[in-house]
Amino acid sequence: DVKVTQSSRYLVKRTGEKVFLECVQDMDHENMFWYRQDPGLGLRLIYFSYDVKMKEKGDIPEGYSVSREKKERFSLILESASTNQTSMYLCASSLAGRGEFYGYTFGSGTRLTVV
Amino acid sequence: DQQVKQNSPSLSVQEGRISILNCDYTNSMFDYFLWYKKYPAEGPTFLISISSIKDKNEDGRFTVFLNKSAKHLSLHIVPSQPGDSAVYFCAARDNFNKFYFGSGTKLNVKP
Repeated sequence: DVKVTQSSRYLVKRTGEKVFLECVQDMDHENMFWYRQDPGLGLRLIYFSYDVKMKEKGDIPEGYSVSREKKERFSLILESASTNQTSMYLCASSLAGRGEFYGYTFGSGTRLTVV
Repeated sequence: DQQVKQNSPSLSVQEGRISILNCDYTNSMFDYFLWYKKYPAEGPTFLISISSIKDKNEDGRFTVFLNKSAKHLSLHIVPSQPGDSAVYFCAARDNFNKFYFGSGTKLNVKP
């Protein structure tokens, strides 16, 4: 069974802190993604990665960075947390390729509150 | 601009009746469409998908319909059960294997 594990379910941080959100998948998926979910806005893509050391900006990358040093791990970094980054953060992974359909497998999410 | 839209933020249905969740999209190059279900404090889980070359896909109580000319997707749940109460997201895949999600519809199935 594919598992995507996010290190924290709930996190409270102070404004200005550097925050690391970790995501690990155990199915050798090439693709990994970070989304945030906000009421009325759905899931918005922050960053994604199709390979180790590779990263691409999503729709809302401002204030975030990512790191993918190993295939199984994709880290989201909030350089200087702000209150408007209070949100549910979801990590997802998928196989690469377009010949067949590959959906996402999501982690359980991290609820981040910035105070 | 959102390429995938769910215009109904919520839907309330009586147990045993049909639930119909709707989704509209703008990009005619999307080749796969999916529905995800999300319970509070959990990540979304894949529910059902449909290829752009089909107009219907059925899996048990869940059926997804695709109307390409109208760029419209719908999910039918028959019969609805209280355990179906969740937020449902539709999503569409583009040429680069990137998925676009709608804003979600919260379904409440009343016993």
